[in-house]
Amino acid sequence: QSVLTQPPSVSGAPGQRVTISCTGSSSNIGAGYDVHWYQQLPGTAPKLLIFRNSNRPSGVPDRFSGSKSGTSASLAITGLQAEDEADYYCQSYDSSLSGSVFGGGTKLTVL
Amino acid sequence: EVQLVESGGGLVQPGGSLRLSCAASGFTFSAYWMSWVRQAPGKGLEWVANIKHDGSEKYYVDSVRGRFTISRDNAKDSLFLQMNSLRAEDTAVYYCASEYSYYLDVWGKGTTVTVSS
Repeated sequence: QSVLTQPPSVSGAPGQRVTISCTGSSSNIGAGYDVHWYQQLPGTAPKLLIFRNSNRPSGVPDRFSGSKSGTSASLAITGLQAEDEADYYCQSYDSSLSGSVFGGGTKLTVL
Repeated sequence: EVQLVESGGGLVQPGGSLRLSCAASGFTFSAYWMSWVRQAPGKGLEWVANIKHDGSEKYYVDSVRGRFTISRDNAKDSLFLQMNSLRAEDTAVYYCASEYSYYLDVWGKGTTVTVSS
């Protein structure tokens, strides 16, 4: 049971828009800690996708965007492409655990 | 090029020990917090431990506290994870990552630890 809750899977057709939610609590997202997102392509290491809720590292397409509100955050992917098929993880800091916490991950399938 | 390369994984019996290493290059290692994150087969990511840039603060996930020790050698741009009293549930790919303001911006490719008799 992960501290941050994500849907196990989402899917969409090429060109469509999908969103992935990440729900936390008052000791992590709700306490004001930032949410970060990672993309893990099959068989590879995770890669930072969004940092501090809505910021993209250099090289990440603007098709990827993030937002945060209250105890939740969301990752949106527009103009879905086949190469977006991957696992996506949210991450934040939890003050009661004194460490980082991840969501359980969401598998994105491009139909 | 910014790079992290893990090593030291392998097969170990339950109750055994293993020391993982992570060699950093391409950035000022001594200025960064560093983390270990693991991923059990077919499972999600789990943060394991992190260490402040000067080694003065260390934090662990509850499941490894007292068994694992994170350390670093800034003179050699290296991060370590000493793992003792290993259990089957510690079987995972272990990643090291540089940490900036609580997010993990650079990741290594990982090293595999298998705990089995």
